[in-house]
Amino acid sequence: QKEVEQDPGPLSVPEGAIVSLNCTYSNSAFQYFMWYRQYSRKGPELLMYTYSSGNKEDGRFTAQVDKSSKYISLFIRDSQPSDSATYLCAMRKAAGNKLTFGGGTRVLVKP
Amino acid sequence: DTAVSQTPKYLVTQMGNDKSIKCEQNLGHDTMYWYKQDSKKFLKIMFSYNNKELIINETVPNRFSPKSPDKAHLNLHINSLELGDSAVYFCASSQDNFSEQFFGPGTRLTVL
Repeated sequence: QKEVEQDPGPLSVPEGAIVSLNCTYSNSAFQYFMWYRQYSRKGPELLMYTYSSGNKEDGRFTAQVDKSSKYISLFIRDSQPSDSATYLCAMRKAAGNKLTFGGGTRVLVKP
Repeated sequence: DTAVSQTPKYLVTQMGNDKSIKCEQNLGHDTMYWYKQDSKKFLKIMFSYNNKELIINETVPNRFSPKSPDKAHLNLHINSLELGDSAVYFCASSQDNFSEQFFGPGTRLTVL
């Protein structure tokens, strides 16, 4: 079993809908949580970076962390076709910068 | 103006060959990384260098050897290429050993 689990999708939604993505993890030592967006044949791009349990909002993006359940989420409001990409969750322990990634969820936003 | 650049973008080669992938960052960062992304999109760290010093060395065959001539460059040399080495290799950099990592565009390696 992988340390970080993520549904591969694809997740298909109509334009304007809310996209809901999540990851579960098994290692309670993970303290920092990230969401990356990766367009086809491009490198990952950081969207959200969170530390503690709770919510963090940035524009149309909201990240949630529930350390007690070892569960993180990313919500995208008012989704656009340009949001179509693979979304990767990543996390790391308190020390060092070794990121452990989920396998990514492919999202398709249809006009 | 590219922050993290990699060359080549595509690399097709035969089994048994030796090849190198180059990475350069112009962000003034101290830490650089190599990741491998397999066909199922899993992105896994291979190496990390901080100020030219190796700080992360995951369980990677010793056919893979990173080389950091200076803080702005981290190259990856692969000896005796195997079919299973086919993947996309990403270079990344961060300000220090705790900060956000910026990824390059990737090098798609195909071993025939």
